[in-house]
Amino acid sequence: AQSVTQLGSHVSVSEGALVLLRCNYSSSVPPYLFWYVQYPNQGLQLLLKYTSAATLVKGINGFEAEFKKSETSFHLTKPSAHMSDAAEYFCAVSDYRWGYQKVTFGIGTKLQVIP
Amino acid sequence: KAGVTQTPRYLIKTRGQQVTLSCSPISGHRSVSWYQQTPGQGLQFLFEYFSETQRNKGNFPGRFSGRQFSNSRSEMNVSTLELGDSALYLCASSSAGGELTDTQYFGPGTRLTVL
Repeated sequence: AQSVTQLGSHVSVSEGALVLLRCNYSSSVPPYLFWYVQYPNQGLQLLLKYTSAATLVKGINGFEAEFKKSETSFHLTKPSAHMSDAAEYFCAVSDYRWGYQKVTFGIGTKLQVIP
Repeated sequence: KAGVTQTPRYLIKTRGQQVTLSCSPISGHRSVSWYQQTPGQGLQFLFEYFSETQRNKGNFPGRFSGRQFSNSRSEMNVSTLELGDSALYLCASSSAGGELTDTQYFGPGTRLTVL
């Protein structure tokens, strides 16, 4: 079964600084990867997804992620953090189970933005 | 298009009781998945329904069950509640091809507290 590992359950950055949230995957076949964001008291919202069309994927709110096969990574970045980026971020991998999609999520990384 | 809706948003129950949570997917979506989210475990997959049939199931005890109706609305039931069942229960819908690239759209969740 495929899985993802998110390094760092909590990350703090200053407003205006680079945001880097790490995700490594474990897969024996080309993976399909997602990043979701969860704001307090809300459900998850898709930021971006990798479907093998391009290794650099641009998402909403200025986020992007680069698929690196050699490093088995799919880290999420944003050049300049904004206060509104404070949320929890989940990396996820899509796999077939019994012939249908099953999505497995990482443990999540809480991003704190310091003014 | 209206998003995924979940009712109720908050529930307080006592041990031994049972509870039913409801989810209405995005119009046209036929797949509904349920997840349990807790601080220590992250998002754990419960089950997925498509056209009133359970296609996938996670590793939860039989106390957790679900069903889907002909209009794609879904319910999940937890019987004989335990303290450890306290969690945010998230519902997600997708267009339901079951393909690896399908995006899941999440509802705001139902916060269940078991006393």
